[in-house]
Amino acid sequence: EVQLVESGGGLVQPGGSLRLSCAASGFTFSGYWVHWVRQAPGKGLVWVSYINTDGSYMKYADSVKGRFTISRDNAKNTLYLQMNSLSAEDTALYYCARGGKDRAMDVWGQGTTVTVSS
Amino acid sequence: DIQMTQSPSSVSASVGDRVSITCRASQGISNWLAWYQQKPGKAPKLLIYAASSLQSGVPSRFSGSGSGTDFTLTISSLQPEDFATYYCQQANSSPFTFGGGTKVEI
Repeated sequence: EVQLVESGGGLVQPGGSLRLSCAASGFTFSGYWVHWVRQAPGKGLVWVSYINTDGSYMKYADSVKGRFTISRDNAKNTLYLQMNSLSAEDTALYYCARGGKDRAMDVWGQGTTVTVSS
Repeated sequence: DIQMTQSPSSVSASVGDRVSITCRASQGISNWLAWYQQKPGKAPKLLIYAASSLQSGVPSRFSGSGSGTDFTLTISSLQPEDFATYYCQQANSSPFTFGGGTKVEI
């Protein structure tokens, strides 16, 4: 079964850091771009970042540029998101998603919740 | 950055109705557009990619059309399981922005 499973979310104080992971299974992870997308409580979807197949190219939303770092370990079939200098505005459910045909996100994880609060 | 504007933000409909949702891009994106369905407490699900290509396993009552800046998602005959929120997303260039969503309600 093709699957993405996120982990690493939790409660963190403002200014703190957190690293999210996304474990892939059921497909050749190294052959796909992967994205992070977030959704604040009661709000819409917001694209955060993506990384290409070998990890040599990545892009970020302006709201997280300089604070978040996306990376991947193809040997471990795992995607990461290192989040630093967190603020309340980063509170959200974070999804990882596979970039499929025509760059559409065709496989999604169940999400991991990040709450930034003192 | 490319802005994606969806309308309406919500629509009330009945089972069997034909429902159309529009999405407008702030600049031309050719056919680099996807549509997603999201139900409460669930991850989004890809319905349509490349503006009009139906994702495998998605019922044929869903269809997409458009190119350039104006796009439409149509549900030909609304079923009970289709009550959800729908999002468009441009895949032309980073940042890969989503529309604000359209909630389809009973």
